[in-house]
Amino acid sequence: EDQVTQSPEALRLQEGESSSLNCSYTVSGLRGLFWYRQDPGKGPEFLFTLYSAGEEKEKERLKATLTKKESFLHITAPKPEDSATYLCAVQAYESGSRLTFGEGTQLTVNP
Amino acid sequence: EAQVTQNPRYLITVTGKKLTVTCSQNMNHEYMSWYRQDPGLGLRQIYYSMNVEVTDKGDVPEGYKVSRKEKRNFPLILESPSPNQTSLYFCASSLIGGAAGELFFGEGSRLTVL
Repeated sequence: EDQVTQSPEALRLQEGESSSLNCSYTVSGLRGLFWYRQDPGKGPEFLFTLYSAGEEKEKERLKATLTKKESFLHITAPKPEDSATYLCAVQAYESGSRLTFGEGTQLTVNP
Repeated sequence: EAQVTQNPRYLITVTGKKLTVTCSQNMNHEYMSWYRQDPGLGLRQIYYSMNVEVTDKGDVPEGYKVSRKEKRNFPLILESPSPNQTSLYFCASSLIGGAAGELFFGEGSRLTVL
């Protein structure tokens, strides 16, 4: 059974204070790992796809990295508008199109 | 504007009263899916559809039905809702099933079953 665990559950940062969110996963044959951002009252918004260990993707202040057991979402010099819940999901080859989501990390960036 | 539209956004109903949550996408996506989001359980897939007339069960399909008669629409049907189906529901789509992780989500439908 595919499993995704995200930590911490919640994180408070000051504006400009860089940090990382963790996504640990267990899956037999990773097809892809996905990061989403979810604002309150909204649907998740796709951020990144990572396919293989060592891969990195960047978008503005966000950088996602992948190892064989976990993924990190690094946030550099965050701003209040980066406040959101960040979700991680995995897709396994044997699961077809099915995604398994983690419960997310709720990030708050204070000005 | 590319979007996934769900209706209704909010609904309070009573046990046993059949309801349908509609979902429509304007991106000509082949793949569509329904999720429910509950505190402590995260997002869980209910049903998905790889293309017209092709649907399959996700992780939590009990108590739900779906149909895919047109490419753009993927309604979620609760034939006899029960209180444990109180949840926040999301419809999502992607271009093809192989890229099913790169999903466009709707704004959500918050359902309360009394």
